[in-house]
Amino acid sequence: KNQVEQSPQSLIILEGKNCTLQCNYTVSPFSNLRWYKQDTGRGPVSLTIMTFSENTKSNGRYTATLDADTKQSSLHITASQLSDSASYICVVSSNPRGEKLTFGTGTRLTIIP
Amino acid sequence: GAGVSQTPSNKVTEKGKYVELRCDPISGHTALYWYRQSLGQGPEFLIYFQGTGAADDSGLPNDRFFAVRPEGSVSTLKIQRTERGDSAVYLCASSFTPLSEQFFGPGTRLTVL
Repeated sequence: KNQVEQSPQSLIILEGKNCTLQCNYTVSPFSNLRWYKQDTGRGPVSLTIMTFSENTKSNGRYTATLDADTKQSSLHITASQLSDSASYICVVSSNPRGEKLTFGTGTRLTIIP
Repeated sequence: GAGVSQTPSNKVTEKGKYVELRCDPISGHTALYWYRQSLGQGPEFLIYFQGTGAADDSGLPNDRFFAVRPEGSVSTLKIQRTERGDSAVYLCASSFTPLSEQFFGPGTRLTVL
């Protein structure tokens, strides 16, 4: 069964600090890996998308890494801001007939002033 | 509008009733997806449309759930004989093609009493 596991489940850090969120997956076949940010009561918003051949991608203060051999990914957030408080969801797509996404349960990040 | 819209934003119904949830995708997007998100969990795939046809409905939990997209644009998720376990946020997403980024709507929160 395709699975995406994330750690930690929740994280609280001070504003301005950095943090790293982890994602392990067992999804086959593999098409790409995405990180989404989901604010409370809103739909997920894509942060990064990485294919098999990419091992790092940045979007502003967000940097995602991918190790396709070990099936691990991380999302690093630098100089955190209060607006970064959200759930961060790792999503892996397999592509037999289209983009069927397998979602992790997310990491709930809280930034405190 | 420019984004994916879903109506209603909230729906409260009684056990056994029938409900319809509507999704208006981004104009021109051929692919449309329905997901279900339970509290504290990541979204779970339900069904994917390419044009008017359901390309993958493997995520529908049982035959009480049905979705249509008759003209290849707006989609309706239909739930018959609702059960308390159906309570969740139902998310809709659309993408220009099956391989491109999915954009999510804000979701419909369904509560079955």
